[in-house]
Amino acid sequence: DGGITQSPKYLFRKEGQNVTLSCEQNLNHDAMYWYRQDPGQGLRLIYYSQIVNDFQKGDIAEGYSVSREKKESFPLTVTSAQKNPTAFYLCASSIGTHGNQPQHFGDGTRLSIL
Amino acid sequence: GQQLNQSPQSMFIQEGEDVSMNCTSSSIFNTWLWYKQDPGEGPVLLIALYKAGELTSNGRLTAQFGITRKDSFLNISASIPSDVGIYFCAGQDTYTGANSKLTFGKGITLSVRP
Repeated sequence: DGGITQSPKYLFRKEGQNVTLSCEQNLNHDAMYWYRQDPGQGLRLIYYSQIVNDFQKGDIAEGYSVSREKKESFPLTVTSAQKNPTAFYLCASSIGTHGNQPQHFGDGTRLSIL
Repeated sequence: GQQLNQSPQSMFIQEGEDVSMNCTSSSIFNTWLWYKQDPGEGPVLLIALYKAGELTSNGRLTAQFGITRKDSFLNISASIPSDVGIYFCAGQDTYTGANSKLTFGKGITLSVRP
């Protein structure tokens, strides 16, 4: 099946630890995105990538890092510098970033602090 | 920055009733999207709107792109229990070129009483 796969579904982080969330898509989409969702809040953009080996900061990039070495993969690292990492993280992709190219989402990873 | 307003935060309706949600913005958008999110899952695209005044249906769902380009409406007719979830609106300013991003509302949680 074509789609966006996020793993793991649940992740626990110890204080001072970096953790990496996986996002893979087999839709042949050029653009990929990472969002953070907190209870009662809309989705906030962390990072996005329009093409391989290129990415831009979103609205809340501090404490996060990404890489885009392959078209189908866009992993997100939550670093120890992110002081409030507990949230639901959503990855999305789209054909491109122009109009008529809506974003489609994976099923998310819930990150909690031990 | 741009903000989208969705209210109320929660809505409670009886099965079989129709429900209407709106989304307003202080800025103009050129694309409006409506997503539904079930608990613990990623948002799923319901309807995409690309032209001011456009009215689009998807089964029991109907959405409209406001003439001013600052608002959009989603109507659900003859609600059923599986309509329960969080409904997000999102706007995109496609005229900012390749860096256009989605701005999300905070969502409306819909409950349907059998």
